[in-house]
This record gives sequence, structure tokens and C-alpha cells, in this order.
Amino acid sequence: DGGITQSPKYLFRKEGQNVTLSCEQNLNHDAMYWYRQDPGQGLRLIYYSQIVNDFQKGDIAEGYSVSREKKESFPLTVTSAQKNPTAFYLCASSIEDPLVLNEQFFGPGTRLTVL
Amino acid sequence: GENVEQHPSTLSVQEGDSAVIKCTYSDSASNYFPWYKQELGKGPQLIIDIRSNVGEKKDQRIAVTLNKTAKHFSLHITETQPEDSAVYFCAASKVTAGRAAGNKLTFGGGTRVLVKP
Repeated sequence: DGGITQSPKYLFRKEGQNVTLSCEQNLNHDAMYWYRQDPGQGLRLIYYSQIVNDFQKGDIAEGYSVSREKKESFPLTVTSAQKNPTAFYLCASSIEDPLVLNEQFFGPGTRLTVL
Repeated sequence: GENVEQHPSTLSVQEGDSAVIKCTYSDSASNYFPWYKQELGKGPQLIIDIRSNVGEKKDQRIAVTLNKTAKHFSLHITETQPEDSAVYFCAASKVTAGRAAGNKLTFGGGTRVLVKP
């Protein structure tokens, strides 16, 4: 059963602690993305990666970090420098082919609450 | 960078009626316009998309139209059903040649659609 998994579904952390959100895909997609969604708002791009060992900042990268050591995995760390980390975090992946406009497949999301 | 605006933010329709959501974009180079449906507590799911070389696309009860000159595109849902109730997002992307380009989507703010039985 192919797809994108994110864990955990709900995550609670104390203010000042770093936290890492997991994203795994078995779709053999080259590109992976992290978005943040706030209540009543659209999705905003945090980081994206088009290939292993390479990633780019999105529109709201401050206070976040990522790694892409494996094709299947793209973990996101929310650091204590992120001023307002409570949000719904969505991971996505797509085939990376500039000649083809490809669908981004989304995971189920992780709701992070910082207390 | 690209900016996508979406209207309305909420839409309530009677079952069986049509629903229309409109989006405008700012970057005339954008060439890919997907629409996503997000149900409560889940990730968005692509429902239809359109490319800049096409003016209209239809898939059963949903259709999307694109006006490149005016830089706006719309989602039309006909014969709405209760299961159409969800949040809908439009997005725009500029895909160019070369691996460095990527497929970054810029999303609109979303429209919460409620279909009343």
C-alpha cells in the first residue's frame, strides 16, 4: 500500500523544546515538501527537497530545519527559534520531472501544539 | 513571488445547487493550476488540475476554467452533494526546465464549502 505517512498525528511539546516531525513515503518520489497550515488559512511552504542530500528554503523557513539523507524520508525539526510553532504540518511528495506537471501527494498531517 | 487569492472564504449551498470558487494569481508565468479538497483532519487531495495551454477541463461534476489574460481560474461543482462539504484550495505553480526549478505550489487561502441537505 503506497503512500505518505506522517507521525505522530498529534504532538504536544513544551515551549523552548525542539521537536522533529516524521515524513516517510514509499512512492519512489524524488521531491518532498513541508507545509504549514494555520486555522482558516492556506498552506505555506516551509522547505522542499528535489533530491537526496539537497533542500531549499520555502517562504517561511525561519525556525525550522530539515534533512534529506534518504529518498524516502524528509524529517522536519521545529526549533525553539520558531516563534509560533503551534500549527498543522503537512508533508507532500511528487515526481521530480520538469517536463511533466506532477501532482503533489499529501500525508495526513501532524498537529503540533506547543504549551 | 507568486500570490494567489481565493474567494469566497466560506460558501454555503443547498444540495443539488452549484458551487463556484474563484482564484486570481499574480505571476503571468504560472502554468499549472491544481485544486485540492481537504476533509477535516486530513491532508489535501488533488481533485482536478489545469495547465496553461487549456481553457477548460471537466471531470464528472467538477470543472475548472482558466483565463490567462485576466489571470484567474475557477472551480465549478455541479449537483452538489453532502460529501462535497470540505475545504477547497486552489494553487498555482510555474514549472520551468531544469532540475533546479522544482514544482513549488503557492496556495490560496481556502474556501470552506458546506452543502446543506
